[in-house]
Amino acid sequence: DAMVIQNPRYQVTQFGKPVTLSCSQTLNHNVMYWYQQKSSQAPKLLFHYYDKDFNNEADTPDNFQSRRPNTSFCFLDIRSPGLGDAAMYLCATSIPRATTSSYEQYFGPGTRLTVT
Amino acid sequence: GENVEQHPSTLSVQEGDSAVIKCTYSDSASNYFPWYKQELGKRPQLIIDIRSNVGEKKDQRIAVTLNKTAKHFSLHITETQPEDSAVYFCAASSDYKLSFGAGTTVTVRA
Repeated sequence: DAMVIQNPRYQVTQFGKPVTLSCSQTLNHNVMYWYQQKSSQAPKLLFHYYDKDFNNEADTPDNFQSRRPNTSFCFLDIRSPGLGDAAMYLCATSIPRATTSSYEQYFGPGTRLTVT
Repeated sequence: GENVEQHPSTLSVQEGDSAVIKCTYSDSASNYFPWYKQELGKRPQLIIDIRSNVGEKKDQRIAVTLNKTAKHFSLHITETQPEDSAVYFCAASSDYKLSFGAGTTVTVRA
């Protein structure tokens, strides 16, 4: 089945120790997103790729970076995780609908990051 | 940028009753309004969406209405069941980025 896959589902890292989260998709969507979601809050967009074009949200900390080596894969790098970075990280994909110009977003299962 | 407000933040209903969640948006260019349901520890799942050329859309027990003039849209769940208990997020979009509301925690009492 076509889908958005995230690995690992649970990640524990130490304060200040770099960590990488991965996302892959079989949907062949050209837009990929990374969201941060903390308990009881809405997903917060960190950045997205439109094809190879990287777009950073203005309030995304420099501590967060992303790579998209090809259409199928996208990575989230947290260079020096702090306790406040503990959250669920959601990857999503979308593709423009030619008939409506809207973008339905499909979310992966998320990676729960714990920082000790 | 777009600002989406969602009310109420929590909603408790008796099983079988209806639930209504309301959202307002600020950007008149927004033309796509999805609703996501998120169960604890799981991904947001798209349950219904509406585009600006439509005033109402229904899918079984779920319906969404849109008032472009007033810039608000609503989710209606009829005949609620325990499995409807979850957090519901509305969102608005004029391009490929979504602006989410803060979410509504719905609890269906048996």
